[in-house]
Amino acid sequence: DQQVKQNSPSLSVQEGRISILNCDYTNSMFDYFLWYKKYPAEGPTFLISISSIKDKNEDGRFTVFLNKSAKHLSLHIVPSQPGDSAVYFCAASEQVSTGRRALTFGSGTRLQVQP
Amino acid sequence: GAVVSQHPSRVICKSGTSVKIECRSLDFQATTMFWYRQFPKQSLMLMATSNEGSKATYEQGVEKDKFLINHASLTLSTLTVTSAHPEDSSFYICSATTGSGVTQYFGPGTRLLVL
Repeated sequence: DQQVKQNSPSLSVQEGRISILNCDYTNSMFDYFLWYKKYPAEGPTFLISISSIKDKNEDGRFTVFLNKSAKHLSLHIVPSQPGDSAVYFCAASEQVSTGRRALTFGSGTRLQVQP
Repeated sequence: GAVVSQHPSRVICKSGTSVKIECRSLDFQATTMFWYRQFPKQSLMLMATSNEGSKATYEQGVEKDKFLINHASLTLSTLTVTSAHPEDSSFYICSATTGSGVTQYFGPGTRLLVL
């Protein structure tokens, strides 16, 4: 049972336009959400995160929106650049025991930004 | 800041041999380190969580006698794949957090090929 879902395996966007990557989750115990960017044969790079007590967090060209009632979050990249082309993973965090947290990853969305 | 390194980046070994992968936090003390495995075109699957000086906590289905984890210091964790078989071939990635931090910072990954 996938607790974190990224239903779009791929997305293609023109340079300069907005990229919107979506993520849905089912576990209401998740209290922190993160987005990672990953290139082939490399480890994920942390992009941006949001606590469940917020509904928006912005960092430069990246904005993450959280809709708790819908159990949905999205990552907006604007303007999109060719260097943004990568696989984007949504991750959700919960405290599983005292002092121990776990991250659950979605399956990823491959973003291609066309020049 | 928050740089994590892994060594080696690639390893090819014969079936039946053991392989050790090192994960180091270069500019911070990592109270918790995580080991993930990624199969082609799939998401990251958590294998185990390790805290410095204590035994690792393994996820369901991960053989602790096959994947030995040692977290000897606040900057080093090692994963040893014992008696490796071709089905162990995969991309292994470590990550680390500081204190009670939620954000995990990932290493670049190690590509293991067992012949």
